[in-house]
Amino acid sequence: GAVVSQHPSRVICKSGTSVKIECRSLDFQATTMFWYRQFPKQSLMLMATSNEGSKATYEQGVEKDKFLINHASLTLSTLTVTSAHPEDSSFYICSARSRGDRDSGYTFGSGTRLTVV
Amino acid sequence: LAKTTQPISMDSYEGQEVNITCSHNNIATNDYITWYQQFPSQGPRFIIQGYKTKVTNEVASLFIPADRKSSTLSLPRVSLSDTAVYYCLVGSGGTGGFKTIFGAGTRLFVKA
Repeated sequence: GAVVSQHPSRVICKSGTSVKIECRSLDFQATTMFWYRQFPKQSLMLMATSNEGSKATYEQGVEKDKFLINHASLTLSTLTVTSAHPEDSSFYICSARSRGDRDSGYTFGSGTRLTVV
Repeated sequence: LAKTTQPISMDSYEGQEVNITCSHNNIATNDYITWYQQFPSQGPRFIIQGYKTKVTNEVASLFIPADRKSSTLSLPRVSLSDTAVYYCLVGSGGTGGFKTIFGAGTRLFVKA
């Protein structure tokens, strides 16, 4: 089945630095990918929709200048957390769906645990 | 996007059948119903998807009544490894562009 690879799985960074998270669709092309954030014991919160070749669409309350999304190819979307602060510490997850797999929902990456110290 | 309501948590024992019901009163005509499973510190994993009546795969069954305002995920003979959070989502089955909005989910705890 479809596979979405997300890297890194875990990252620790200092306050004020930037962190890039990659999301790759390994065996299919994805014109659209989604980025989520999940705090402990909470559900996934949709942050933005990543569109290949165009600007990302951000959900209300998500700062587009802080969470930079680039979807430069049909298999790669990146999320950069700029000037990270401790409150940005969270579990970040991406998802995509193969066009040829309409009956199997979305495939999610394994997630990235970001800790800002 | 249709909002979903699920029980916050459920307990079960190994070997039992577990049924988790989700309410989606405002489901639209072209919306599909999809269930995901999530373990701690992992991304959600697709379980099953349906539009109406009953769908069955190797891990679960999905029952959808005629009015489609609810759905029930049935897990046969659960094991300890089925302890996880289960999410019910509704959305249009487009070519991959519809947003998947997660509700609170149901935390299933399977006991020995």
